[in-house]
Amino acid sequence: DTGVSQDPRHKITKRGQNVTFRCDPISEHNRLYWYRQTLGQGPEFLTYFQNEAQLEKSRLLSDRFSAERPKGSFSTLEIQRTEQGDSAMYLCASSLGGQGMGKNIQYFGAGTRLSVL
Amino acid sequence: AQSVTQLDSQVPVFEEAPVELRCNYSSSVSVYLFWYVQYPNQGLQLLLKYLSGSTLVESINGFEAEFNKSQTSFHLRKPSVHISDTAEYFCAVKVNQGGKLIFGQGTELSVKP
Repeated sequence: DTGVSQDPRHKITKRGQNVTFRCDPISEHNRLYWYRQTLGQGPEFLTYFQNEAQLEKSRLLSDRFSAERPKGSFSTLEIQRTEQGDSAMYLCASSLGGQGMGKNIQYFGAGTRLSVL
Repeated sequence: AQSVTQLDSQVPVFEEAPVELRCNYSSSVSVYLFWYVQYPNQGLQLLLKYLSGSTLVESINGFEAEFNKSQTSFHLRKPSVHISDTAEYFCAVKVNQGGKLIFGQGTELSVKP
């Protein structure tokens, strides 16, 4: 098991461009989460999936943001028409869903750092 | 709605001294509690968790945290810190039936020789 994998690790883009990030969860995990972390702050929840269904979206996820998990395995997070305020670390996590103590632990990837110039 | 407050943004301490990082939460329903550690330019690593049972939980590297329901706290302690413990520490809560984690703003632990 290689853990949660995120790609790319770093992305520099110009304002107005579109960017897409990928997350590969731990293979047996059916839940996948996206968070955003700005400098000096704790991570903030964006959205999460159980299998391919998107179960919750934060108000932080504006119309320019879209996330997909088409086959219930990897997920992509796309930001359209990027703005300087989108500069942040985007973290992905995965877990087992359902009842039971072992099913509530989220494991995080190393993150994708986005810089919008 | 749930919230998490980490009372200290920065905690400087000398090596081998004890340390306590404070965390208070607010919730009207039962929660699970977590401490994560983040080293520079890395993701979050789970340090320890309270899901149920004993209110005192321990990690493999000497940290411990105690769930205090009456004070709605989950403070993190270590009796003797090492230089390698220098990192950002985040307290988080999760509503039992929910999905997302709600994080505090983090405490930067700086261990000096």
